[in-house]
Amino acid sequence: QKEVEQNSGPLSVPEGAIASLNCTYSDRGSQSFFWYRQYSGKSPELIMFIYSNGDKEDGRFTAQLNKASQYVSLLIRDSQPSDSATYLCAVSFMIYNQGGKLIFGQGTELSVKP
Amino acid sequence: DAGVIQSPRHEVTEMGQEVTLRCKPISGHDYLFWYRQTMMRGLELLIYFNNNVPIDDSGMPEDRFSAKMPNASFSTLKIQPSEPRDSAVYFCASSFSLRTGNTIYFGEGSWLTVV
Repeated sequence: QKEVEQNSGPLSVPEGAIASLNCTYSDRGSQSFFWYRQYSGKSPELIMFIYSNGDKEDGRFTAQLNKASQYVSLLIRDSQPSDSATYLCAVSFMIYNQGGKLIFGQGTELSVKP
Repeated sequence: DAGVIQSPRHEVTEMGQEVTLRCKPISGHDYLFWYRQTMMRGLELLIYFNNNVPIDDSGMPEDRFSAKMPNASFSTLKIQPSEPRDSAVYFCASSFSLRTGNTIYFGEGSWLTVV
């Protein structure tokens, strides 16, 4: 069983819709959770991180964490064609990820159609 | 401020040849990571260093792979001998441990093709 699992997609949504990306992790010791975006041919870049159960909002992005279910998600509101990319979920065993490694999922490809 | 710098950006080499990938982390960062990305396996952590000391090399696929960090501003990942299955994008990344909400910053990657 992989440590971090994501649906590979592709997930296709129309412009203006809400895109919902999901991630599950296997180790209950995981403390910090991250969403990265990767455009084709580019390196991953951080979108947001979350440490506590519940929701965290940043602009059009909302991360949701449920440690009991070992589940983290990313919602993208008002999706734009420029959001088309692969979204990588990552977890760390370090609280606040102060040091230590990130384990990544396979990524979900998102396509936003105009 | 310059980001993580990797070289070469692209390399095509023949099976059996030695490949050396280079990385300069962001100045002041105390963690350095080497990741490999393929379509089949996604983004895998190969090895990481803290203050130039290797902490975890459990992701290094086999003895053909080695990594060094002789000082805080330079690291290498070497493959000897290279094989076609080593073809991948190799990312170097760095981070600063004492910052809450620590972000790992990735370099642009080294695209390796072994023929």
